[in-house]
Amino acid sequence: QSVVTQPPSASGTPGQRVTISCSGSSSNVGPNTVNWYQQFPGTAPKLLIYSNNQRPSGVPDRFSGSKSGTSASLAISGLQSEDEADYFCAVWDDNLNGHVVFGGGTKLTVL
Amino acid sequence: QVQLQESGPGLVRPSETLSLTCTVSGGSISDYFWNWIRRPPGKGLEWIGYISYTGRTTYRPSLKSRVTFSVDTSKNQFSLTLKSVTAADTAVYYCARERDINYMDGAFAFWGPGTMVTVSS
Repeated sequence: QSVVTQPPSASGTPGQRVTISCSGSSSNVGPNTVNWYQQFPGTAPKLLIYSNNQRPSGVPDRFSGSKSGTSASLAISGLQSEDEADYFCAVWDDNLNGHVVFGGGTKLTVL
Repeated sequence: QVQLQESGPGLVRPSETLSLTCTVSGGSISDYFWNWIRRPPGKGLEWIGYISYTGRTTYRPSLKSRVTFSVDTSKNQFSLTLKSVTAADTAVYYCARERDINYMDGAFAFWGPGTMVTVSS
């Protein structure tokens, strides 16, 4: 069980806006930046958002990130069928000499 | 463009040692932070740890007693060794590079395709 919590599942219809939350604590999300990954079955994860709200080159602006206090969110607007994937948040945790923690992951279904 | 490729046995016997190597191409390993991450079947991603080109390491607390990383700058490779494996170590193992050259914050910009390792007798 991860110290950073995500809902196990989320869903939406094409064109909708969906959000996925990432809830942490004062040792991880609170003081540090949050990153988001998209992973399709059988492939490596892809960095979607870094430093809370920055998109790497090539990531559509339909994907956005935000952070407030000890919680962060990934928003996907104009949902498309190809967005159906697993989404993970990742953040540095200052406890135990420091380490990276991933959220448990959210399976996004496009209805 | 930096590319990473994992290599190693796909099957390891329980109680034995798992060894994997990540070969880096398109860039030097003598910069950045190099990581190992795994995903067990039906579960989420787990960060195993990182090594810098100087050999500095940080490991996942729950694996610290069993895991060791090493780096070979002459071959542009880094490696993972995990001792006393059990079925719980069955996973797809990925190597990955941190996005920023200066610090670790869990933003992994480059990944290998992953290699499936099964622990079974």
